[in-house]
Amino acid sequence: GENVEQHPSTLSVQEGDSAVIKCTYSDSASNYFPWYKQELGKRPQLIIDIRSNVGEKKDQRIAVTLNKTAKHFSLHITETQPEDSAVYFCAALTGANSKLTFGKGITLSVRP
Amino acid sequence: DAGITQSPRHKVTETGTPVTLRCHQTENHRYMYWYRQDPGHGLRLIHYSYGVKDTDKGEVSDGYSVSRSKTEDFLLTLESATSSQTSVYFCAIRSLAGETQYFGPGTRLLVL
Repeated sequence: GENVEQHPSTLSVQEGDSAVIKCTYSDSASNYFPWYKQELGKRPQLIIDIRSNVGEKKDQRIAVTLNKTAKHFSLHITETQPEDSAVYFCAALTGANSKLTFGKGITLSVRP
Repeated sequence: DAGITQSPRHKVTETGTPVTLRCHQTENHRYMYWYRQDPGHGLRLIHYSYGVKDTDKGEVSDGYSVSRSKTEDFLLTLESATSSQTSVYFCAIRSLAGETQYFGPGTRLLVL
């Protein structure tokens, strides 16, 4: 089955700097890659996603890039703010019944 | 929040007792999922449903069963709860047309 790995497990940046979170996946048939943000005690919320026929997608300060050859995709957050502090999960979608496989999550801390 | 509710939101139970968690949706989505979230493991799929009475196992299905007798409700049952099933349980839905999964608010379960 699909295996999604997320590195590093924690990331600390200074407010205003950029943050990059990288994920790798194993199944070349995966064709949809969402990113979720989860604040403490809350549900995971979708922040951006990308499909396998697209190399990059941007939404204001957030962007996602996909390299199908290398089987990795990355989340880029520019001009980080304290409210960006959260756990971020990447995932890959495979199969006819659309099962998502999640990475273990990364805790992003933005220092004021 | 995609019209998803979960009940109960918090539960404390004893080892060996049966527990049923309910996920309810109001938007007639075909696909419904149960995940558990544990520190260091991210989100792991327990069971999912692709229609009324159509369910299948995820990666961590041992000790859990599910039922879906109507579109709006997806029940997760722990037949005989164990301490290893202490976790936060999230339900998610996905529409037939889309790929994105949206999560419910979660249920915190403590098995003593």
